[in-house]
Amino acid sequence: GQQVKQSSPSLTVQEGGILILNCDYENDMFDYFAWYKKYPDNSPTLLISVRSNVDKREDGRFTVFLNKSGKHFSLHITASQPEDTAVYLCAAGGNVGDNSKLIWGLGTSLVVNP
Amino acid sequence: DTTVKQNPRYKLARVGKPVNLICSQTMNHDTMYWYQKKPNQAPKLLLFYYDKILNREADTFEKFQSSRPNNSFCSLYIGSAGLEYSAMYLCASSRDRGNTGQLYFGEGSKLTVL
Repeated sequence: GQQVKQSSPSLTVQEGGILILNCDYENDMFDYFAWYKKYPDNSPTLLISVRSNVDKREDGRFTVFLNKSGKHFSLHITASQPEDTAVYLCAAGGNVGDNSKLIWGLGTSLVVNP
Repeated sequence: DTTVKQNPRYKLARVGKPVNLICSQTMNHDTMYWYQKKPNQAPKLLLFYYDKILNREADTFEKFQSSRPNNSFCSLYIGSAGLEYSAMYLCASSRDRGNTGQLYFGEGSKLTVL
């Protein structure tokens, strides 16, 4: 089964809105959670990440929330812009033994309309 | 320079023929990874090098080889390509060991096996 799941394969919003991308994971040993952004024909780049010792991290318009008991983390984007249109990949992992690799979600394709 | 470079960007191969993909980075990163990405699937880790130590995933152990002649270069070798090898191959690097630091991805090598 898939260890990291993104609930929405695609999402379309209007410019200026707030949007939330969700990611669920199965392994409660994971302690690192990341969101990568991928433009068409480009490679994924790290957008924001968080370790399990905090439940929130904010960077400008982007905030990641971690709910360890629910095995869930999310990416909140405020004041969405057309330039946010991209595929967003979540990934989770740990650093011990079999957990020491990142497991990736399938991605959510986001479109922000002007 | 934070780029990871991959060659070739596109590769056409016949069934049964070998394929060699090359990756390079000049960030002096300790770890280099190879992922396989197929449409509508999450990136799948094939193997990674931490310094000179190669770690291969159990389910792809016999299908892929790799070498890292120096810190900057890492290759992915398929001895006999099958149709199922058609995919995008992504190389990535990270400063530290383990998979919970920022990954820098190359633009990918798209392999088509006929």
